[in-house]
Amino acid sequence: NAGVTQTPKFQVLKTGQSMTLQCAQDMNHEYMSWYRQDPGMGLRLIHYSVGAGITDQGEVPNGYNVSRSTTEDFPLRLLSAAPSQTSVYFCASTPPKGQVYEQYFGPGTRLTVT
Amino acid sequence: GENVEQHPSTLSVQEGDSAVIKCTYSDSASNYFPWYKQELGKRPQLIIDIRSNVGEKKDQRIAVTLNKTAKHFSLHITETQPEDSAVYFCAASLTFPWEYGNKLVFGAGTILRVKS
Repeated sequence: NAGVTQTPKFQVLKTGQSMTLQCAQDMNHEYMSWYRQDPGMGLRLIHYSVGAGITDQGEVPNGYNVSRSTTEDFPLRLLSAAPSQTSVYFCASTPPKGQVYEQYFGPGTRLTVT
Repeated sequence: GENVEQHPSTLSVQEGDSAVIKCTYSDSASNYFPWYKQELGKRPQLIIDIRSNVGEKKDQRIAVTLNKTAKHFSLHITETQPEDSAVYFCAASLTFPWEYGNKLVFGAGTILRVKS
């Protein structure tokens, strides 16, 4: 298994541009989530999904959209990038209900908005 | 919503000494408390977790204790080694009902430096 994969690893955007961060997992995990990590603030939940077709907002959803058309993929879209969205973004997934609660993180995407 | 505070923000210890990191949480309904280790430029990785029906859990040199009454939990690392140097994050979540998801709320992190 490749586990949780994310692309790209690095990205530089100009203010106002849009882009999609890709996340995929091949472990048949139902639960997937997106976090952003900023210095001194830990990780904060942006959006999450408990299964295909179901998404919901986390702590800091403004400026981001998600969709979950398949179990494997959970892309994060930045609608109009702002410098405040400069961060490291991690995708994570959790095994199906009732097994374990561990969240498996992807390698991250480092985004800079100028 | 849940709020998790973590202390200290930095911790320096001599190799072989013990290290303790403490976290408090605000939502008494939270029932799952993981600890993640993150090395520079890498992804967070789970090192140990505890559920609310258990007071203590050990895994070799690592242990976690939970006090639900006081709403705090701690990470204990014994016989520290240079490779333990990293950032450690605590987190809390409510894992049921499943339809609400396993929404982790993280502490701000502790930078642990083990001096040899």
